[in-house]
Amino acid sequence: AQSVTQPDIHITVSEGASLELRCNYSYGATPYLFWYVQSPGQGLQLLLKYFSGDTLVQGIKGFEAEFKRSQSSFNLRKPSVHWSDAAEYFCAVARGDQGGKLIFGQGTELSVKP
Amino acid sequence: EAGVTQSPTHLIKTRGQQVTLRCSPISGHTSVYWYQQALGLGLQFLLWYDEGEERNRGNFPPRFSGRQFPNYSSELNVNALELEDSALYLCASSFPGAIYNSPLHFGNGTRLTVT
Repeated sequence: AQSVTQPDIHITVSEGASLELRCNYSYGATPYLFWYVQSPGQGLQLLLKYFSGDTLVQGIKGFEAEFKRSQSSFNLRKPSVHWSDAAEYFCAVARGDQGGKLIFGQGTELSVKP
Repeated sequence: EAGVTQSPTHLIKTRGQQVTLRCSPISGHTSVYWYQQALGLGLQFLLWYDEGEERNRGNFPPRFSGRQFPNYSSELNVNALELEDSALYLCASSFPGAIYNSPLHFGNGTRLTVT
């Protein structure tokens, strides 16, 4: 069965510092991987996705993620965090044959210190 | 472009009652998905509708059901409400086809509280 693990429940970084949010997945084949962000009281917004090809993918708001098959990881990074990045971040995996059925990690809440 | 809209935004129900949640997808999107975001349980897939048909279902009891209308809007019905049904219910939509061609776009959700 597929699963997604986000080891960090809560992370605090200073504004301007770099950020890395961890995501590990369990899936037998090449997965379809996603990062979503959820601000308080809002739905989820897609940051970026990986299906194949270049393992470093660029997303919106200055985020990027790197797919590492050997480590079953898809970590999200940002070189310089802004206060508006404070939100909850979800990593998700999908199979190609199950439409929009996403398996989500438990989420990582990001706080940004001034 | 209008996003995915859900109604109502909040509602409070009593255990044993029934509830209907509504979702309007982005124009041109024919697939609609429902997810439950319950405290402590994270985001869990509920249902997927495409072209009026149920295509996939998550691990939820039969009292969770839904339908999709000819205009691609959708309803989620929950019968015999239980306290643990309290959650944020998120609807998402996409163009038809595989998820790699059309990622999901989410609405802001309906917050259901069961007392």
